[in-house]
Amino acid sequence: DQQVKQNSPSLSVQEGRISILNCDYTNSMFDYFLWYKKYPAEGPTFLISISSIKDKNEDGRFTVFLNKSAKHLSLHIVPSQPGDSAVYFCAASDGGSQGNLIFGKGTKLSVKP
Amino acid sequence: GAGVSQSPRYKVTKRGQDVTLRCDPISSHATLYWYQQALGQGPEFLTYFNYEAQPDKSGLPSDRFSAERPEGSISTLTIQRTEQRDSAMYRCASSLGPLDEQFFGPGTRLTVL
Repeated sequence: DQQVKQNSPSLSVQEGRISILNCDYTNSMFDYFLWYKKYPAEGPTFLISISSIKDKNEDGRFTVFLNKSAKHLSLHIVPSQPGDSAVYFCAASDGGSQGNLIFGKGTKLSVKP
Repeated sequence: GAGVSQSPRYKVTKRGQDVTLRCDPISSHATLYWYQQALGQGPEFLTYFNYEAQPDKSGLPSDRFSAERPEGSISTLTIQRTEQRDSAMYRCASSLGPLDEQFFGPGTRLTVL
């Protein structure tokens, strides 16, 4: 059974609006979460992370929210830009930043001009 | 095999020496990634392979770093003339394809004295 789930395989958003990418997890021992962005012919790019002691982390246009009681995290991109069009992967670890990472299956974001 | 394996698990070397790290991906997986992870940080992408092709090596920090996957299965990451700043966890991951879920190996902890 998947421990990290990204239930939306794709998302389409208008340029300038907010993109919200969701991720759910089942393992309550996960204590560190990351988001990666991937273009088709390139390797994944680390975007932002959050430790379970926080509920929000912000870096420029990217904000990650963590709701531990719901075992849910989300990545908000504001404002969305066409260059943000990529596949976004959520990942979780139960050993902090050095633990084994479990990835979700990804959500393909398309930002339309 | 059942999962991704890496060897050695720990490597201590003296500055100036060359080191080679090995990754055995899941046997059915075409795509293999190498990441470098500093303490307290998320893994940063180094390079990846689709079978034996290496479409992206933009994350390699210098020309002292190189990776191979000559037969499309096992991969090696070689660091020549190691420097203290190369000390990190080196992690390998594999996936069925470039946009599929990644499975991580346990990593190799490299310490350069």
